[in-house]
Amino acid sequence: DSGVTQTPKHLITATGQRVTLRCSPRSGDLSVYWYQQSLDQGLQFLIHYYNGEERAKGNILERFSAQQFPDLHSELNLSSLELGDSALYFCASSPFGYGELFFGEGSRLTVL
Amino acid sequence: GENVEQHPSTLSVQEGDSAVIKCTYSDSASNYFPWYKQELGKRPQLIIDIRSNVGEKKDQRIAVTLNKTAKHFSLHITETQPEDSAVYFCAAPSNTGNQFYFGTGTSLTVIP
Repeated sequence: DSGVTQTPKHLITATGQRVTLRCSPRSGDLSVYWYQQSLDQGLQFLIHYYNGEERAKGNILERFSAQQFPDLHSELNLSSLELGDSALYFCASSPFGYGELFFGEGSRLTVL
Repeated sequence: GENVEQHPSTLSVQEGDSAVIKCTYSDSASNYFPWYKQELGKRPQLIIDIRSNVGEKKDQRIAVTLNKTAKHFSLHITETQPEDSAVYFCAAPSNTGNQFYFGTGTSLTVIP
């Protein structure tokens, strides 16, 4: 158990819909990273938050957005969903935005 | 963002043989180089990391070597075992940790 909690674990929805994925980092970790992993693909860096502030954007689509709240949990919002958005979405936390990343179990999104 | 290239994409070895996975990076300011292992259906987990002030680090059967001049680093697994079968990812985060990009992954199969 990494101490990072992601909900929901599984989500099935239709094209055009909007979903929200939630991540609770390890206690005390200030950094949250979001990654997308499509079938047989690598870990695509989406976005990084540190103590409530956006620090870096990676390959994140305009239809996607994220935020980190004062209690440090984070949410990834995916809108106007397309079939190609089906993937496993991981969040990872770290104490200071450097060093080891601790991954959650992921949220598997299926868009039909 | 950081360009991290990883080779090979797939690797099969006989049990007991060695496996080597190589990564190159583009950001000369990077100074932390971790390796993650992702077993099928599970989250990525850190297995070893190295900082730029050392050239090699070992932990039992795994080792990482770093050549900062050439901007590449490698993962070495000796005496491979079936439980080493997994996907391995290298990473070369920006020196602030804000951007944390992973390589494309190497699927290692250890044949008993």
